[in-house]
Order: sequence, then structure tokens, then C-alpha cells
Amino acid sequence: EVQLVQSGAEVKKPGESLRISCKGSGYSFTNYWISWVRQMPGKGLEWMGNIDLSDSYINYSPSFQGHVTISAAKSISTAYLQWSSLKASDTAMYYCARSDCGGVSCFTDYWGQGTLVTVSS
Amino acid sequence: DIQMTQSPSSLSASVRDRVTITCRSSQSISTYLNWYQQKPGKAPKLLIYAASSLQSGVPSRFSGSGSGTDFTLSISSLQPEDFATYYCQQTYSTPRTFGQGTKVEIK
Repeated sequence: EVQLVQSGAEVKKPGESLRISCKGSGYSFTNYWISWVRQMPGKGLEWMGNIDLSDSYINYSPSFQGHVTISAAKSISTAYLQWSSLKASDTAMYYCARSDCGGVSCFTDYWGQGTLVTVSS
Repeated sequence: DIQMTQSPSSLSASVRDRVTITCRSSQSISTYLNWYQQKPGKAPKLLIYAASSLQSGVPSRFSGSGSGTDFTLSISSLQPEDFATYYCQQTYSTPRTFGQGTKVEIK
């Protein structure tokens, strides 16, 4: 069974750093991409970026480039999303998801349960 | 960036109604268009990929159509479990932008 299990909820102060994780199981981790998606309270889905686990190539949305870092540790089938200096506006639910891109399609078929990040002084 | 615009933003419908949601892209994306359903407090769920392919396990009352810039998600006979928010997403280029969502509510 394909699963993506994310790390637990976090409460941080502005300016603090944070790394959240997403562990894949039940499939060949390096054959897919992992995407990260933000959902602010009561709002829609925002694509942040993705990483190709076969070669660690990373795409960032311009909206998030420079503010977050996407990485992965293939040996433990885990992807990461990290911030060096959080802002209150980073308060949101963050989802990781498996993306299957090839040929004439590219879609995200399995999602983690989400990690709620709260940034407050 | 490619902009994705869904309409309507919300709709009210009754069980067994036929529902249609439209998604328009700011430039041609061929059929690189996916549809997701999200229920409150839950992660999104893939319904349709490549504009018209039904994801495994998704009921056949869901269907998708379109290519280029105009796409449609249809629910042939709305069921109680279908009340949710629906998002389109283009995967033609990065950033892989989502539409703003369409909330389907009970009339």
C-alpha cells in the first residue's frame, strides 16, 4: 500500500527555523516526484515546488523560491520542506504528495495527511 | 505562470443533480489538466488526470473533458458524499498552478 506519512504539527515563533518531513512507503521512492502544496486557513491549494527523486532535480514556484528549501534523503525514502526564518504568514497546512510525470500526463495520486504549521509570537 | 480560473466559485445542488464545473487556463495546456476533490480536514483526492482519464477507484459518475484552454468536470448524479471543494490543476509547466476551487454545497 502506497503511503506518505508526514511529521507532526509544529508551533513556532517568527524567525525560527523548521524542517518538516514526508516518508514514502509501499512503492519505489526514486521512480516518482514529491510535490509540496500549501493550504492557508480557509483558502485554496498552492503548489510550492517538487523534487524528482531519480536525480534530485527541484522546481520551485516563484512565489516560494528563496523562502523554502525542498530536499530528500533517498536512502530513507523521505522528502523534506524547510524554512530558515519563519513568518506568521507561513501558518498553514502543508501537504506532500507523490507525482507521476511521464509521457502525456503528470498527476499527483497519493497525498500525505498534512502537517499543520503555526507561526505565532 | 499559467493562470487557472474555475467557475463557478461555489454552487448549490441537490442529490441526483447533474453538476458541471469549468476550468480555463490562460494559455494552451493540451490535456495536462487534473481534477481533485477535497473534503474539510482531509487531503485532496485525485479524480481525473490528463483531462479525461478516471483515476482508479473513482466512481464513473465523475467525468472530465476538454483540451487546450477549456476543461470541464461533470458529476452525472450528485451523491451525498460528493459535497466538497473541487480543484483543477495544470501540469503543462511549472509552477503547476491550481484553480481557486469550486465549493459544491447542498441545496
